[in-house]
Amino acid sequence: GAGVSQSPRYKVAKRGQDVALRCDPISGHVSLFWYQQALGQGPEFLTYFQNEAQLDKSGLPSDRFFAERPEGSVSTLKIQRTQQEDSAVYLCASSLASQGHEQFFGPGTRLTVL
Amino acid sequence: AQTVTQSQPEMSVQEAETVTLSCTYDTSESDYYLFWYKQPPSRQMILVIRQEAYKQQNATENRFSVNFQKAAKSFSLKISDSQLGDAAMYFCAYRNNFGNEKLTFGTGTRLTIIP
Repeated sequence: GAGVSQSPRYKVAKRGQDVALRCDPISGHVSLFWYQQALGQGPEFLTYFQNEAQLDKSGLPSDRFFAERPEGSVSTLKIQRTQQEDSAVYLCASSLASQGHEQFFGPGTRLTVL
Repeated sequence: AQTVTQSQPEMSVQEAETVTLSCTYDTSESDYYLFWYKQPPSRQMILVIRQEAYKQQNATENRFSVNFQKAAKSFSLKISDSQLGDAAMYFCAYRNNFGNEKLTFGTGTRLTIIP
């Protein structure tokens, strides 16, 4: 079956622009995670959904970052007024349930802020 | 908070030889999982192997095996009979077995396979 997909794969934004990154999880997966991966670093947790409920947003670096999953499937990560330090790869992962299940990752969106 | 440390930014190995990647972690929890993920240039994070903390037996998956030392909080990955397709970034990761199952990653080790 289809894996986790993300769009766009690449996004270039001018500083101050708003961007929206989309994640399509594997069908039926309850849990969805967003991670930020800076160049040369490991991914860092941003936020977590169980169905449509955002259960943890402790990793969001500022109030310019906002994530939603209104119908418990597709999720969107929105970054307002982008800054150069937002440049990174944004990874989405989904898992079948909240306990004990493997997270499957998408290919990521590489965001470059000029 | 949990932390994961990978002290080898880069490693190289001759094709068909064996290489070991190191990982240490810090946690006050007793029930958790440890993982090794592979990230090729395509950026897709792929699970290589997982270890449950309450299991004393080291996990193995074909050419991949781990050396899990719970008391020392050490979790190394051994790749046997290295192949060109093994070239990638390798990340060690930790996850609690309760609550928010977010992954905490190390900084990664870039593995190069020498033909």
